[in-house]
Amino acid sequence: NAGVTQTPKFRILKIGQSMTLQCTQDMNHNYMYWYRQDPGMGLKLIYYSVGAGITDKGEVPNGYNVSRSTTEDFPLRLELAAPSQTSVYFCASSSLSYGQFFGPGTRLTVL
Amino acid sequence: KQEVTQIPAALSVPEGENLVLNCSFTDSAIYNLQWFRQDPGKGLTSLLLIQSSQREQTSGRLNASLDKSSGRSTLYIAASQPGDSATYLCAGQRRNAGNMLTFGGGTRLMVKP
Repeated sequence: NAGVTQTPKFRILKIGQSMTLQCTQDMNHNYMYWYRQDPGMGLKLIYYSVGAGITDKGEVPNGYNVSRSTTEDFPLRLELAAPSQTSVYFCASSSLSYGQFFGPGTRLTVL
Repeated sequence: KQEVTQIPAALSVPEGENLVLNCSFTDSAIYNLQWFRQDPGKGLTSLLLIQSSQREQTSGRLNASLDKSSGRSTLYIAASQPGDSATYLCAGQRRNAGNMLTFGGGTRLMVKP
């Protein structure tokens, strides 16, 4: 199993540009999550999904959108990137028995 | 608002010491507690998951305990090694709202040779 994979690893955006962060898991988990981690800070939940076709907002959803058309994929869309969205983004999937598993992260800089 | 607090924020110890990292939470809806390790510039690696029916979990030199009545969890690291240097994060999981995790701010551990 590859676990949770994320692409790209790094990205630099200009203010106002858009992009999609990709996340795929091969563990057949129903629950998936997107977090952001700012330097020296803990993780904050952006959006989550409890299954294909079902998504909901987390703690810091403004400026982001998600979709969940399959169990495996949970892309995060940034529209009109702003410097405040400079962060490291982590995707995770969850099993009730084994907890959450995280991807390697995407480091995003908005200039 | 749910809060998860980790004390200390940073810790430096000589190699070989046994040490305890603390995690406290105020949300009574937290039923599972998960500990992670994060190396600089890397993702999170799950260390231990303590489910609501358990009081502790062990993996190698690591032992984590959970006391829901007092809202506390501890991560015990035995015979620390320089390779243990990393940031350790605890996170409480709530049964509602998608089983999401609420993270503490982390303890940055440095083990000196």
